[in-house]
Amino acid sequence: QLQLQESGPGLVKPSETLSLTCTVSGGSISTSDYYWGWIRQPPGKGLEWIGSIFYSGSTNYNPSLRSRVTMSVDTSKNQFSLRLSSVTAADTAFYYCARHTFCRGASCYTFDIWGQGTTVTVSS
Amino acid sequence: SSELTQDPAVSVALGQTVRISCQGDSLRTYYASWYQQKPGQAPVLVNYGENNRPSGIPDRFSGSSSGNTASLTITGAQAEDEADYYCNSRDSSPNPYVVFGGGTKLTVL
Repeated sequence: QLQLQESGPGLVKPSETLSLTCTVSGGSISTSDYYWGWIRQPPGKGLEWIGSIFYSGSTNYNPSLRSRVTMSVDTSKNQFSLRLSSVTAADTAFYYCARHTFCRGASCYTFDIWGQGTTVTVSS
Repeated sequence: SSELTQDPAVSVALGQTVRISCQGDSLRTYYASWYQQKPGQAPVLVNYGENNRPSGIPDRFSGSSSGNTASLTITGAQAEDEADYYCNSRDSSPNPYVVFGGGTKLTVL
């Protein structure tokens, strides 16, 4: 079945750029039925959507992070990536990648498959 | 701040029924999806749409909606249901984006 796996550095210095990649296995990222998203969870806190990307490269970002977020997709590798610039300690979190639906009638943005997540610490 | 509001904590006696709520303006128009997250694990989808459960999710998990409030009901709560529960949907602006509720910690007594 479809699986997602996050990868990337676990430690990033303040003011630098956080970069993560999500590898999709067991299915194609090039599907017109789903978006591919990033969600993060600071220690002891709730889930925060960072942004999503379609296989064509179309993106949708959280307005609160938009100025620092860039997402990209590599269909040949079945991967999509996140870059978050100018990080601070507030960006320390567990980062998940996940697949989600569009709005289908009144049902919107259901995240049905999640990666295991990866922890990223921002510290010098 | 989240556009979907959840009670921070709820408790239920073993075998009883509990309702976890999620409030937001966008829920007058759109359904919520619900996720269960146990410590150290990724969230798992447990209910979505009008009241749909992914394969493998017990039928004691049901979803409903009324006005600006979506609810996840667990009928006959089990010890293994103790977890954090999150709702999500879209926001109510013309340029839609994803929103999550702040989460509810469910304790099974």
